[in-house]
Amino acid sequence: DAGVIQSPRHEVTEMGQEVTLRCKPISGHNSLFWYRQTMMRGLELLIYFNNNVPIDDSGMPEDRFSAKMPNASFSTLKIQPSEPRDSAVYFCASSAKQETQYFGPGTRLLVL
Amino acid sequence: GNSVTQMEGPVTLSEEAFLTINCTYTATGYPSLFWYVQYPGEGLQLLLKATKADDKGSNKGFEATYRKETTSFHLEKGSVQVSDSAVYFCALRRGYNTDKLIFGTGTRLQVFP
Repeated sequence: DAGVIQSPRHEVTEMGQEVTLRCKPISGHNSLFWYRQTMMRGLELLIYFNNNVPIDDSGMPEDRFSAKMPNASFSTLKIQPSEPRDSAVYFCASSAKQETQYFGPGTRLLVL
Repeated sequence: GNSVTQMEGPVTLSEEAFLTINCTYTATGYPSLFWYVQYPGEGLQLLLKATKADDKGSNKGFEATYRKETTSFHLEKGSVQVSDSAVYFCALRRGYNTDKLIFGTGTRLQVFP
């Protein structure tokens, strides 16, 4: 298996622009997680889905952030409009029920 | 609430030294406990886990024992290598009705030759 696939790997954008991060989970996994990692705040869970349904979005910072999972093999995290404080590494992870979470390589986002 | 507390880093060691990274937790019920490792520029990957009290997880020379009486899951390795330099995260998953992990803040390990 190719593992969790994230794209793009790096993104540089200007403040106010829309950013869309993409994730393809491991085939057969039914839970998907979006995390954000920064030096200041460490690793934060933003949202997680189970069977394509959002279960816990309490970590989503504000209305500028939205996440979707239209099917079992694809999810997006969108930031609109982006701000410099959104600069971070965003990880997607997936797991089968009650099993190990597998992380993707991350998307490094820089908002200027 | 549920939480994980790790020792602050960085932990700096010479090659072949003994490693301990402390982790304690607060949780209701009977959580599962995990150690994840993050190498530079990569995502986290599972190092080891334990699902019930007194279980010992082990992998790549690392070990951790689930101690319910002290609510701890300390990570140990008898002889570290330069290639072990990474950030180590302790995490818990509470109960059987969730897949959500609660992570500690991470501890950076630096091993010098």
